[in-house]
Amino acid sequence: SQQGEEDPQALSIQEGENATMNCSYKTSINNLQWYRQNSGRGLVHLILIRSNEREKHSGRLRVTLDTSKKSSSLLITASRAADTASYFCATVKIQGAQKLVFGQGTRLTINP
Amino acid sequence: NAGVTQTPKFQVLKTGQSMTLQCAQDMNHNSMYWYRQDPGMGLRLIYYSASEGTTDKGEVPNGYNVSRLNKREFSLRLESAAPSQTSVYFCASSVQGAGETQYFGPGTRLLVL
Repeated sequence: SQQGEEDPQALSIQEGENATMNCSYKTSINNLQWYRQNSGRGLVHLILIRSNEREKHSGRLRVTLDTSKKSSSLLITASRAADTASYFCATVKIQGAQKLVFGQGTRLTINP
Repeated sequence: NAGVTQTPKFQVLKTGQSMTLQCAQDMNHNSMYWYRQDPGMGLRLIYYSASEGTTDKGEVPNGYNVSRLNKREFSLRLESAAPSQTSVYFCASSVQGAGETQYFGPGTRLLVL
């Protein structure tokens, strides 16, 4: 079963605009990770945010985590055509076997 | 460093045939994983190996077997392929455990007719 659910499923914006993707999950987690997947390629790790962290930055990426709402958001500022990809959140639950469970992803298209 | 490599890149099988997907990592990681990705979906864990010598079932293990040959290599075997196993298969590795950053291979596209 999918632990994380991304919203929206697809997002299309103009180059230079900011893109925000959201992820909701169901059970308590150790950490939450965001990955990017370009078409036909493997996944690339973007950011890992731990359950005791609220916000994290990496270049043009900003990730927030709200454990009370069981949600996270990924903000990409000043988008570029090269940001066109699918973005997945993935969580590791506190209870049970340590497995990374992926959401279904948000397909982001940056229009030049 | 090549990172995580997978072979083959693409394979077509007939129903009932068998094959082994190979995965190797050169990052000295302890943990390795096999996922499948179906159209419009995220990745689902098939099997994982937390450390050399151990393997465990993931979310969708039926129809698959794995072997952790050594610290570098983790293979996935389909004994009798079925059309439902048509998918893209990704291997990944991490330093120690699923909670850390995972590094993915380029994937193997499998078509079962």
